[in-house]
Amino acid sequence: AQSVTQLDSQVPVFEEAPVELRCNYSSSVSVYLFWYVQYPNQGLQLLLKYLSGSTLVKGINGFEAEFNKSQTSFHLRKPSVHISDTAEYFCAVSGNTNAGKSTFGDGTTLTVKP
Amino acid sequence: SAVISQKPSRDICQRGTSLTIQCQVDSQVTMMFWYRQQPGQSLTLIATANQGSEATYESGFVIDKFPISRPNLTFSTLTVSNMSPEDSSIYLCSVGQRYEQYFGPGTRLTVT
Repeated sequence: AQSVTQLDSQVPVFEEAPVELRCNYSSSVSVYLFWYVQYPNQGLQLLLKYLSGSTLVKGINGFEAEFNKSQTSFHLRKPSVHISDTAEYFCAVSGNTNAGKSTFGDGTTLTVKP
Repeated sequence: SAVISQKPSRDICQRGTSLTIQCQVDSQVTMMFWYRQQPGQSLTLIATANQGSEATYESGFVIDKFPISRPNLTFSTLTVSNMSPEDSSIYLCSVGQRYEQYFGPGTRLTVT
C-alpha cells in the first residue's frame, strides 16, 4: 500500500520569496513520484516527476524537487515565486505494479502575495 | 504522453437526474481512471476501467450510482445517476501509461 502526506495545507508567501512545499510518502515497492499543479478552475498539470536517476528533478515554471529515499520525502521548491504561482499543488506516488494509478496527497494551497 | 478530452466541460443539473460524462483519449490505453474532486479537496478515485471488463470500484462507490462504460481502448463514459447536491464536484478522467498518469481537463458538475 502507498500513502502520501503533504505536511502543509496552506503556504502563504510573498512574491519573489523562496518556497518549499513538503511531501512525505510511504510505499512497500519502488516508487515513482510526481507533483501536479491545479490553477483555479483548471485541470491538473504535471509539474515534474521522479522515475529514476538523479534525485534532483527540474520541472516547468522554475520548480524543482529532490527525492530523498532515506527520509521518504519529495519536497518541491522554487527559489523565487510569482503571483501566477498561486495554485493548489498535489504530490502523488505510484508504484511499479499499478500501471500509473497514483495515490494523491491532500494538496497544498500556495498563495503568493504582492 | 496522452491528450485527453472530456465532455461536457461543465453542467448544472437538477436533483434526481443523471449526467453522462465522456472521455476521449488520443491513443490506445489499457487503463482509464475516473476521479472525483469535491470543492477544496484532493482527488478521490471512483473506479478503474479496463476495456472488455467490468469497472473496478473503490470503497464507497457503487456501480448503480456511477455506471461506467469502456467500449474501446480510447473512450469511456461515467454516468452520475440520481444526482443530489452532494454530487457537485469536478469529475476527472485519467489514463495510465507505464508509471505515469495523464488527466483530462475535468467536468464541473453543479447539482441544484
